[in-house]
Amino acid sequence: GAGVSQSPSNKVTEKGKDVELRCDPISGHTALYWYRQRLGQGLEFLIYFQGNSAPDKSGLPSDRFSAERTGESVSTLTIQRTQQEDSAVYLCASSNDPQETQYFGPGTRLLVL
Amino acid sequence: GQNIDQPTEMTATEGAIVQINCTYQTSGFNGLFWYQQHAGEAPTFLSYNVLDGLEEKGRFSSFLSRSKGYSYLLLKELQMKDSASYLCAVREAGYALNFGKGTSLLVTP
Repeated sequence: GAGVSQSPSNKVTEKGKDVELRCDPISGHTALYWYRQRLGQGLEFLIYFQGNSAPDKSGLPSDRFSAERTGESVSTLTIQRTQQEDSAVYLCASSNDPQETQYFGPGTRLLVL
Repeated sequence: GQNIDQPTEMTATEGAIVQINCTYQTSGFNGLFWYQQHAGEAPTFLSYNVLDGLEEKGRFSSFLSRSKGYSYLLLKELQMKDSASYLCAVREAGYALNFGKGTSLLVTP
């Protein structure tokens, strides 16, 4: 079956602009996660959705970051007033259950100039 | 907080065996995962350990010692396509994975 998909695959934006990143999880997966991977760093957890609610937003680095999810489907991560330090690969993962294996999408490479 | 350490880089020869170590100090433990990530691609799941011991899956095996905060990934009969980054991740509680920085493995002819 189809895996996790993300769009766009690459995004270049100017400092101060807003960006929206999209994630389509594996069909039927109730849990969805966003991670960030900066150059030379490990993946950092950002936010977790169970269904369309986000019980844990603790990883969001600032109030410029927000995310939402429609039902048990698509999620969007929005970064407002982007800064250069936001440049990273943003990875989405989904799982059938929070206790089960997370499967990752290919990521969105964000470059803020 | 959490601290997950793995070597930055390793080199091994095609056909050989390589062991990638991961040590962790976390406030909780609810499983350890290994992922493989080729450059520019998504991390792909390799293995999961929650109890002490060895889990074998084809050419790949993963070992866990919870008392020592230690895991390793063993790759046998190395192939050129095994050149990738190998990510160790610990789930402390619930759901979020805490990742190490990854080990970049280069397989040479």
